[in-house]
Amino acid sequence: TQLLEQSPQFLSIQEGENLTVYCNSSSVFSSLQWYRQEPGEGPVLLVTVVTGGEVKKLKRLTFQFGDARKDSSLHITAAQPGDTGLYLCAGGDNQGGKLIFGQGTELSVKP
Amino acid sequence: ETGVTQTPRHLVMGMTNKKSLKCEQHLGHNAMYWYKQSAKKPLELMFVYSLEERVENNSVPSRFSPECPNSSHLFLHLHTLQPEDSALYLCASSQDALNTGELFFGEGSRLTVL
Repeated sequence: TQLLEQSPQFLSIQEGENLTVYCNSSSVFSSLQWYRQEPGEGPVLLVTVVTGGEVKKLKRLTFQFGDARKDSSLHITAAQPGDTGLYLCAGGDNQGGKLIFGQGTELSVKP
Repeated sequence: ETGVTQTPRHLVMGMTNKKSLKCEQHLGHNAMYWYKQSAKKPLELMFVYSLEERVENNSVPSRFSPECPNSSHLFLHLHTLQPEDSALYLCASSQDALNTGELFFGEGSRLTVL
């Protein structure tokens, strides 16, 4: 069974701080997606990474896919209150297109 | 606005009630999904429909009954639920069910079973 473990589960920081969220597995994934879910909303896709070692930047967010395609990280620079939400990673397998989700990291950025 | 609309947003029901959740997508996608989201747990895939045919059922109890009358609409019929079924139920759609492309989620239906 493929599993994705996210850490930390909860993170509360002050505005302006930097943070990193990790998504780890013992399994290889064909792709890795990151979603953000704001309170009262459904998850929204932030990025998809597909190549081992790939780095993608989205404004203050930097996403990295591990060389072996088993892990990923999300780094936020100078966090803002608008970054508050639940961050979910999801790995794509090679068997029928199923996405495996991590349990999420709940981020709170205080002004 | 993600193009996926779910109703109702909130539902409270007793264990003997029968209710339904509705999902509609306006994106022209061929695949639709039901997920269960519980606190501190990964999103749990319940059902997948591709071109109106069910392609996956992850051992979901029979008290949950899905219906997909066409590629734009998806229902989840609920009957004789248990308190542990209380959760956020998310509907999603994607271009197709064969590849792990982007999922477009609705805002969810928050279900409370008393």
